[in-house]
Amino acid sequence: AQSVTQPDIHITVSEGASLELRCNYSYGATPYLFWYVQSPGQGLQLLLKYFSGDTLVQGIKGFEAEFKRSQSSFNLRKPSVHWSDAAEYFCAVGPINNDMRFGAGTRLTVKP
Amino acid sequence: SQTIHQWPATLVQPVGSPLSLECTVEGTSNPNLYWYRQAAGRGLQLLFYSVGIGQISSEVPQNLSASRPQDRQFILSSKKLLLSDSGFYLCAWSVRFAGATDGYTFGSGTRLTVV
Repeated sequence: AQSVTQPDIHITVSEGASLELRCNYSYGATPYLFWYVQSPGQGLQLLLKYFSGDTLVQGIKGFEAEFKRSQSSFNLRKPSVHWSDAAEYFCAVGPINNDMRFGAGTRLTVKP
Repeated sequence: SQTIHQWPATLVQPVGSPLSLECTVEGTSNPNLYWYRQAAGRGLQLLFYSVGIGQISSEVPQNLSASRPQDRQFILSSKKLLLSDSGFYLCAWSVRFAGATDGYTFGSGTRLTVV
């Protein structure tokens, strides 16, 4: 079955530290992969997406993600976290019929 | 450029009252439209999606319904709200591709509290 797993429900990092959020997917073909960020009380904003080509994709706000087919992963990274990065992060895979499948989300807390 | 509008931003409604949430998209034609719900601390639950006017697919049986009276308008409704309908409702749109997706653009959400 097509699915997305975000193993970490909650992650806490110190400001200035590096960040990696994990995402594993199950998909029968080459997936379209996405990372979204949601600030409290807001909608989801697209950070980056992968369709094909270079497996390392750059996004907004200094984020990047690497597609690893052999590991069925699409982990999100940032070299140095800022306090404003505190939010909920969602990984998604598609297309699945006319929809996408979202992970359960990882909540990021940034310590000063 | 494309924009998506969702309103109201917050809503407090008594149990048993009706509901109407509206979502409109500008700057595109023939979008796929979606309604999602987030319960507190939970992930995204797809409620309805639409690939065209009058075409609604329901993912979760419940007392909510959706309608698409115009190409870029998507409405979420209920005749009688339940306490369990409380949550954060998100509208989204995507370009219509065959066998592909460019991801979704989300509205800013409606916080519904049923009391």
